[in-house]
Amino acid sequence: DAGVIQSPRHEVTEMGQEVTLRCKPISGHDYLFWYRQTMMRGLELLIYFNNNVPIDDSGMPEDRFSAKMPNASFSTLKIQPSEPRDSAVYFCASSLPGLGVNTIYFGEGSWLTVV
Amino acid sequence: DAKTTQPTSMDCAEGRAANLPCNHSTISGNEYVYWYRQIHSQGPQYIIHGLKNNETNEMASLIITEDRKSSTLILPHATLRDTAVYYCIVRFNSGGSNYKLTFGKGTLLTVNP
Repeated sequence: DAGVIQSPRHEVTEMGQEVTLRCKPISGHDYLFWYRQTMMRGLELLIYFNNNVPIDDSGMPEDRFSAKMPNASFSTLKIQPSEPRDSAVYFCASSLPGLGVNTIYFGEGSWLTVV
Repeated sequence: DAKTTQPTSMDCAEGRAANLPCNHSTISGNEYVYWYRQIHSQGPQYIIHGLKNNETNEMASLIITEDRKSSTLILPHATLRDTAVYYCIVRFNSGGSNYKLTFGKGTLLTVNP
């Protein structure tokens, strides 16, 4: 069974450019999470969805960040315009409550560098 | 969520048991203890969780004290691939809208040859 799939794995972009990160959750999982990890702040939850509906986006740092989940098998996290301080690893994760609500499966991450 | 306290780092010899402690003295009666780990350059990985009884799976064992104020994650025969940051998290095992799993700084376990 494939795990959570993220793309791109690595991206280097210039300040001001739009960045789109993509995620395919594990089939059948109805919760999807976006986390960000930096050395300074550790792992932070940005937003999560249940059945494609955003439930809590209080972790989204500012209006430059947006996330969508158009269907059960795809989600995007968009940064527009990007800034150097957005450089981080962005993780997508999914969960199926029947497995235990806090048993979350993470992808390998998207390593973003904004120069 | 109850606060957890873990040592910043630990060392373990390959093949020996690794015992990672976690203090959670403010844990409430229906909060679970979860353990995740993060190997370098990978996403966090779920290991095990428990409420009050000791738990064991193919990866590890979780020992929770009778008063539930602390727990120990045991890797019975540590290998070099177990070198990772280990996170202890205390959380309600309930659904609804409360899904914020908060990761602290964890313990960096280094398994030495």
